[in-house]
Amino acid sequence: EDQVTQSPEALRLQEGESSSLNCSYTVSGLRGLFWYRQDPGKGPEFLFTLYSAGEEKEKERLKATLTKKESFLHITAPKPEDSATYLCAVQTDSNYQLIWGAGTKLIIKP
Amino acid sequence: GAVVSQHPSWVICKSGTSVKIECRSLDFQATTMFWYRQFPKQSLMLMATSNEGSKATYEQGVEKDKFLINHASLTLSTLTVTSAHPEDSSFYICSARDGGGPVEAFFGQGTRLTVV
Repeated sequence: EDQVTQSPEALRLQEGESSSLNCSYTVSGLRGLFWYRQDPGKGPEFLFTLYSAGEEKEKERLKATLTKKESFLHITAPKPEDSATYLCAVQTDSNYQLIWGAGTKLIIKP
Repeated sequence: GAVVSQHPSWVICKSGTSVKIECRSLDFQATTMFWYRQFPKQSLMLMATSNEGSKATYEQGVEKDKFLINHASLTLSTLTVTSAHPEDSSFYICSARDGGGPVEAFFGQGTRLTVV
Protein backbone atom coordinates (compact mmCIF):
# COMPACT_ATOMS: atom_id res chain seq x y z
CA GLU A 1 0.00 0.00 0.00
CA ASP A 2 1.29 3.46 -0.92
CA GLN A 3 2.17 5.43 2.18
CA VAL A 4 3.74 8.75 3.17
CA THR A 5 5.06 9.32 6.70
CA GLN A 6 6.32 12.60 8.08
CA SER A 7 8.48 13.05 11.14
CA PRO A 8 8.63 14.50 13.66
CA GLU A 9 4.99 15.40 14.34
CA ALA A 10 6.11 18.63 15.94
CA LEU A 11 9.42 20.43 16.19
CA ARG A 12 10.30 23.36 18.41
CA LEU A 13 13.43 25.32 17.57
CA GLN A 14 15.06 28.49 18.72
CA GLU A 15 15.40 31.22 16.16
CA GLY A 16 18.55 30.53 14.15
CA GLU A 17 18.69 26.85 15.05
CA SER A 18 18.84 24.85 11.81
CA SER A 19 17.15 21.47 11.46
CA SER A 20 15.47 19.08 9.03
CA LEU A 21 12.00 17.65 8.52
CA ASN A 22 11.60 14.17 7.08
CA CYS A 23 9.12 12.72 4.61
CA SER A 24 9.54 9.02 3.93
CA TYR A 25 7.47 7.28 1.31
CA THR A 26 6.64 3.78 0.19
CA VAL A 27 5.04 3.86 -3.25
CA SER A 28 4.94 1.68 -6.29
CA GLY A 29 6.40 4.34 -8.52
CA LEU A 30 7.12 8.00 -7.83
CA ARG A 31 5.99 10.63 -10.29
CA GLY A 32 6.57 13.62 -8.05
CA LEU A 33 6.99 14.67 -4.43
CA PHE A 34 5.59 17.99 -3.25
CA TRP A 35 6.23 20.15 -0.21
CA TYR A 36 3.66 22.64 1.06
CA ARG A 37 3.46 25.04 3.95
CA GLN A 38 0.16 25.59 5.77
CA ASP A 39 -0.59 28.38 8.19
CA PRO A 40 -3.51 28.01 10.63
CA GLY A 41 -6.88 28.64 8.99
CA LYS A 42 -5.42 28.85 5.49
CA GLY A 43 -4.95 26.61 2.50
CA PRO A 44 -1.55 25.03 1.82
CA GLU A 45 1.03 27.13 0.01
CA PHE A 46 3.14 25.38 -2.59
CA LEU A 47 6.88 25.25 -1.91
CA PHE A 48 8.68 22.64 -4.03
CA THR A 49 8.28 19.79 -6.47
CA LEU A 50 10.93 17.07 -6.70
CA TYR A 51 10.88 14.43 -9.41
CA SER A 52 13.91 12.18 -9.08
CA ALA A 53 16.45 10.98 -6.54
CA GLY A 54 19.34 13.37 -6.13
CA GLU A 55 17.30 16.43 -6.99
CA GLU A 56 17.53 19.48 -4.73
CA LYS A 57 15.61 22.76 -4.68
CA GLU A 58 16.07 25.88 -2.59
CA LYS A 59 13.97 28.85 -1.63
CA GLU A 60 15.23 31.37 0.88
CA ARG A 61 15.94 29.43 4.11
CA LEU A 62 14.42 26.20 2.83
CA LYS A 63 16.08 23.42 0.86
CA ALA A 64 14.35 20.23 -0.23
CA THR A 65 16.20 17.06 -1.17
CA LEU A 66 15.03 13.70 -2.47
CA THR A 67 16.31 10.12 -2.30
CA LYS A 68 14.63 6.92 -3.43
CA LYS A 69 13.00 6.48 -0.03
CA GLU A 70 12.62 9.90 1.53
CA SER A 71 12.75 13.63 1.23
CA PHE A 72 14.16 16.16 3.64
CA LEU A 73 13.16 19.76 4.09
CA HIS A 74 16.16 21.53 5.56
CA ILE A 75 15.59 24.83 7.26
CA THR A 76 18.62 27.05 7.83
CA ALA A 77 18.68 29.74 10.50
CA PRO A 78 14.90 29.80 10.82
CA LYS A 79 12.92 32.84 11.87
CA PRO A 80 9.63 32.97 13.82
CA GLU A 81 7.75 33.60 10.57
CA ASP A 82 8.81 30.16 9.38
CA SER A 83 6.48 28.67 12.01
CA ALA A 84 3.81 26.65 10.21
CA THR A 85 2.79 23.10 9.42
CA TYR A 86 4.82 21.61 6.59
CA LEU A 87 3.06 19.01 4.46
CA CYS A 88 4.55 16.47 2.11
CA ALA A 89 2.60 14.75 -0.67
CA VAL A 90 3.46 12.16 -3.29
CA GLN A 91 1.98 11.46 -6.69
CA THR A 92 2.44 7.91 -7.94
CA ASP A 93 2.69 6.35 -11.37
CA SER A 94 -0.68 4.66 -10.95
CA ASN A 95 -2.76 7.57 -9.72
CA TYR A 96 -3.03 11.29 -10.38
CA GLN A 97 -4.12 11.90 -6.82
CA LEU A 98 -1.80 13.02 -4.06
CA ILE A 99 -0.99 10.87 -1.05
CA TRP A 100 -0.49 13.17 1.92
CA GLY A 101 1.64 12.90 5.00
CA ALA A 102 0.20 14.04 8.32
CA GLY A 103 2.48 17.07 8.45
CA THR A 104 5.13 18.45 10.79
CA LYS A 105 4.22 21.40 12.95
CA LEU A 106 7.24 23.67 13.17
CA ILE A 107 7.48 26.29 15.92
CA ILE A 108 10.33 28.78 15.91
CA LYS A 109 10.77 30.63 19.17
CA PRO A 110 12.34 34.10 19.12
CA GLY B 1 2.88 30.69 -8.34
CA ALA B 2 -0.58 30.29 -9.74
CA VAL B 3 -3.53 31.74 -7.86
CA VAL B 4 -6.62 29.87 -6.75
CA SER B 5 -9.39 31.91 -5.19
CA GLN B 6 -11.92 30.28 -2.89
CA HIS B 7 -15.05 32.01 -1.69
CA PRO B 8 -16.39 32.52 0.89
CA SER B 9 -13.58 32.25 3.43
CA TRP B 10 -16.10 31.52 6.16
CA VAL B 11 -19.83 30.89 6.36
CA ILE B 12 -22.35 30.17 9.08
CA CYS B 13 -25.60 28.50 8.11
CA LYS B 14 -28.60 26.97 9.76
CA SER B 15 -29.06 23.24 9.94
CA GLY B 16 -31.01 21.95 6.92
CA THR B 17 -29.93 24.67 4.52
CA SER B 18 -27.50 24.36 1.61
CA VAL B 19 -24.21 26.17 1.17
CA LYS B 20 -22.22 26.72 -2.02
CA ILE B 21 -18.46 27.21 -2.05
CA GLU B 22 -16.71 28.49 -5.16
CA CYS B 23 -13.19 27.76 -6.32
CA ARG B 24 -11.64 29.69 -9.19
CA SER B 25 -8.28 29.44 -10.88
CA LEU B 26 -7.37 33.02 -11.73
CA ASP B 27 -4.38 32.73 -14.03
CA PHE B 28 -4.35 29.19 -15.40
CA GLN B 29 -6.70 26.57 -16.75
CA ALA B 30 -7.56 24.02 -14.11
CA THR B 31 -8.16 20.77 -15.92
CA THR B 32 -8.42 19.01 -12.58
CA MET B 33 -9.78 20.30 -9.30
CA PHE B 34 -9.76 18.61 -5.92
CA TRP B 35 -11.92 19.20 -2.87
CA TYR B 36 -10.56 18.45 0.58
CA ARG B 37 -11.89 18.51 4.08
CA GLN B 38 -9.63 19.16 7.03
CA PHE B 39 -10.39 18.50 10.65
CA PRO B 40 -8.53 20.37 13.42
CA LYS B 41 -4.92 19.34 13.74
CA GLN B 42 -5.29 16.74 11.00
CA SER B 43 -4.02 16.51 7.47
CA LEU B 44 -6.06 16.93 4.32
CA MET B 45 -8.75 14.40 3.50
CA LEU B 46 -9.59 14.17 -0.18
CA MET B 47 -13.32 14.25 -0.81
CA ALA B 48 -13.53 14.24 -4.58
CA THR B 49 -11.71 14.91 -7.82
CA SER B 50 -13.30 16.63 -10.77
CA ASN B 51 -12.21 17.13 -14.34
CA GLU B 52 -13.72 19.89 -16.40
CA GLY B 53 -16.90 18.76 -18.09
CA SER B 54 -16.99 15.39 -16.35
CA LYS B 55 -18.73 14.04 -13.29
CA ALA B 56 -16.72 14.19 -10.11
CA THR B 57 -15.09 11.09 -8.69
CA TYR B 58 -15.84 10.76 -5.00
CA GLU B 59 -13.68 9.07 -2.41
CA GLN B 60 -15.05 6.14 -0.48
CA GLY B 61 -17.33 7.24 2.31
CA VAL B 62 -18.14 10.65 0.82
CA GLU B 63 -21.83 11.07 0.03
CA LYS B 64 -22.11 12.40 -3.50
CA ASP B 65 -25.72 13.46 -2.99
CA LYS B 66 -24.73 15.53 -0.01
CA PHE B 67 -21.59 17.11 -1.44
CA LEU B 68 -22.46 18.20 -4.95
CA ILE B 69 -19.52 19.14 -7.12
CA ASN B 70 -19.74 20.97 -10.42
CA HIS B 71 -16.74 21.71 -12.62
CA ALA B 72 -18.45 23.48 -15.48
CA SER B 73 -15.49 25.42 -16.82
CA LEU B 74 -11.71 25.34 -16.81
CA THR B 75 -11.61 28.05 -14.18
CA LEU B 76 -14.50 27.30 -11.85
CA SER B 77 -15.58 24.46 -9.61
CA THR B 78 -18.25 24.58 -6.94
CA LEU B 79 -18.97 22.45 -3.91
CA THR B 80 -22.51 22.54 -2.55
CA VAL B 81 -23.15 21.09 0.87
CA THR B 82 -26.81 20.14 0.80
CA SER B 83 -29.04 19.92 3.85
CA ALA B 84 -26.12 20.79 6.08
CA HIS B 85 -25.92 19.44 9.61
CA PRO B 86 -23.62 20.39 12.48
CA GLU B 87 -21.38 17.40 11.74
CA ASP B 88 -20.64 18.95 8.34
CA SER B 89 -18.93 21.84 10.09
CA SER B 90 -15.33 21.78 8.95
CA PHE B 91 -12.62 23.49 6.92
CA TYR B 92 -13.07 22.86 3.20
CA ILE B 93 -10.22 23.50 0.78
CA CYS B 94 -10.08 23.30 -2.99
CA SER B 95 -7.02 22.86 -5.15
CA ALA B 96 -6.49 23.10 -8.87
CA ARG B 97 -3.97 21.71 -11.28
CA ASP B 98 -3.26 22.23 -14.94
CA GLY B 99 -2.80 18.80 -16.44
CA GLY B 100 -2.68 15.24 -15.14
CA GLY B 101 1.05 14.78 -14.88
CA PRO B 102 3.34 15.34 -11.92
CA VAL B 103 2.66 19.04 -11.68
CA GLU B 104 1.98 20.88 -8.52
CA ALA B 105 -1.53 21.73 -7.40
CA PHE B 106 -2.34 25.14 -6.01
CA PHE B 107 -4.74 25.66 -3.16
CA GLY B 108 -7.46 28.11 -2.32
CA GLN B 109 -7.47 29.81 1.05
CA GLY B 110 -10.11 27.48 2.44
CA THR B 111 -13.67 27.92 3.70
CA ARG B 112 -14.60 27.54 7.35
CA LEU B 113 -18.16 26.17 7.44
CA THR B 114 -20.10 26.29 10.69
CA VAL B 115 -23.57 24.75 10.78
CA VAL B 116 -25.72 25.82 13.72
